[in-house]
Amino acid sequence: NAGVTQTPKFQVLKTGQSMTLQCAQDMNHNSMYWYRQDPGMGLRLIYYSASEGTTDKGEVPNGYNVSRLNKREFSLRLESAAPSQTSVYFCASNRGGMTGTYEQYFGPGTRLTVT
Amino acid sequence: EDKVVQSPLSLVVHEGDTVTLNCSYEVTNFRSLLWYKQEKKAPTFLFMLTSSGIEKKSGRLSSILDKKELSSILNITATQTGDSAIYLCARWGGGADGLTFGKGTHLIIQP
Repeated sequence: NAGVTQTPKFQVLKTGQSMTLQCAQDMNHNSMYWYRQDPGMGLRLIYYSASEGTTDKGEVPNGYNVSRLNKREFSLRLESAAPSQTSVYFCASNRGGMTGTYEQYFGPGTRLTVT
Repeated sequence: EDKVVQSPLSLVVHEGDTVTLNCSYEVTNFRSLLWYKQEKKAPTFLFMLTSSGIEKKSGRLSSILDKKELSSILNITATQTGDSAIYLCARWGGGADGLTFGKGTHLIIQP
């Protein structure tokens, strides 16, 4: 099992450019998440998808959109990148539901720089 | 107001020392508290705590939840340089919206 995979690993964008960050998991998890991590800020939730076909805003959704393409894949799109979106982006997944462990599994991260 | 507060934010100790990292959380809809270790890349899971007073242990690491004090501690004994990392505490509120993380404790172990 690859677990949670993310592409690309690194990206540099100019202000105003758009891009999509890809995430896939092979653990048959129901729920998937996108976080951003900035120095001294911990991880902050951007968007999540509790199950296939649903998406919801997290703590910091402005400037982003998401698509839950199928059960495996959850993408994050920046329509018009801004320097404030320079960050490390992590995708995560977990089994979901109200029973069982709530451990989230994280992808390796995408380091995005917007100039 | 932060829902998860960790202290200290950074800590430098010598190899062999014992460290205690603290996490306090907001009680509203609290279900579980989780600890993660983050080295250069993705956070990796350490512990999930749901019941008060029950210690979870893995090698030199242990953690316990105190629901009366709304807090948790993570202990690392006989620290090694490989323990250098950011330790993240997160709470789960029982919903589908995932975890709320603290800002992390940056732990540096000097040889």
